[in-house]
Parts: sequence; C-alpha cells; structure tokens
Amino acid sequence: DVKVTQSSRYLVKRTGEKVFLECVQDMDHENMFWYRQDPGLGLRLIYFSYDVKMKEKGDIPEGYSVSREKKERFSLILESASTNQTSMYLCASSFQTGGMGGYTFGSGTRLTVV
Amino acid sequence: DQQVKQNSPSLSVQEGRISILNCDYTNSMFDYFLWYKKYPAEGPTFLISISSIKDKNEDGRFTVFLNKSAKHLSLHIVPSQPGDSAVYFCAGANNAGNMLTFGGGTRLMVKP
Repeated sequence: DVKVTQSSRYLVKRTGEKVFLECVQDMDHENMFWYRQDPGLGLRLIYFSYDVKMKEKGDIPEGYSVSREKKERFSLILESASTNQTSMYLCASSFQTGGMGGYTFGSGTRLTVV
Repeated sequence: DQQVKQNSPSLSVQEGRISILNCDYTNSMFDYFLWYKKYPAEGPTFLISISSIKDKNEDGRFTVFLNKSAKHLSLHIVPSQPGDSAVYFCAGANNAGNMLTFGGGTRLMVKP
C-alpha cells in the first residue's frame, strides 16, 4: 500500500524552539507539499517542491522553511516556533503530471506551541 | 483571493437522506475538480473527481455535478450514512493536475 508517512502524530514545543516536521513518501512522486489546516481556513499551502533541492513558496511561507535533499523526503522547518503556528500540518505528494487522483496525504502532525 | 469557496462550514443530515455539499470557484482555468474527505486526526483521502469537460461523475453513493457556466460544483451523497460524517474539501486542479487549490471545507454530520 502506497504511503506518505509523517514522523510524528502529536508534538508540543515551546515558543522560540526550532521545529522539524518530517515527511517520507514511497511512491517515487516528484512533487511534495506542506499544508496547514485550521478551522474555517481549510488547507493552506506553505511550501512545495517539484524536484530534489527545488522549493517554491506557497500561500503562507512566512516563518517556515523547507528542505528536500532526497526525492522521498520533504522536511518542514519552523525556524522559531510561535503560538500562531499551532495547527495541523499535512504533507502530500503527487506525480509530476498529477492525474485525476490528485494528491496522497499523510496522516498529519498536530503541533502545539506553548 | 479565494479561488475555491465552500460557503457552508457545516451541514447536518439524517441518516438515509441526501447530503449535498456545494463549492464555488472563480478560476476558469481549472481543468478538473476533486473532492477529499477528512476524518479527525487523519489526512484527507481522495473521494471523487470530475473533468471540466463533463457535467456529472458517479461512483456508488457519491455523485459530483459540475455547472461550468455558474462556476459551481456539488457533491451528492445518497443515502447518507453515519460513517460519512467528516470534513469534505473540494479542490480545483490545473491542467497538469499537479497543483490543487482547496476550499475551506464543509463539516458533514450524519445523524443516526
């Protein structure tokens, strides 16, 4: 069964900490994405990558960075965590050509910044 | 500017009845549309899609209708079941299909 795996289901971090969220996919997908989900705001794109070492800003990149050193792994980095970054973070991947099936999502990481 | 909007944040339906979830979009360049379903503490899962050249696509209890002139699509679930209770996201896809724009989601509650 194909999978997108996010390393942590729940995280609690302190304000100012550097936080790493890891995502691994086993489908040989070219594209990988990071979203955050907040009530009433839906899914908002933070960053995406269409190839190794390539990255593009999404709609809300401020306060975040990403790293893609290997095709299967896409990391989201919160440089200095703040309480307004408390959210559900979702990683997704897709083939370069997409397809009618769209993205495959991971199970999400619920991050709480205190 | 929200390119995809789901104006109803929540919907409550009795088991066995029809659920209708609505979605409006502004981007005429979307090549097709998708619906995702999300349970709490899980990632969204793909439910059904429709090409922009069609006006209906059906898969079991789920049917998606597209009205291009109105820039509106809807997801019909018949009959609704308690297990359908989830948040539903609609999304528009570019012509390469590798970039999705999501709506804000609608929480469906199906009462037994």
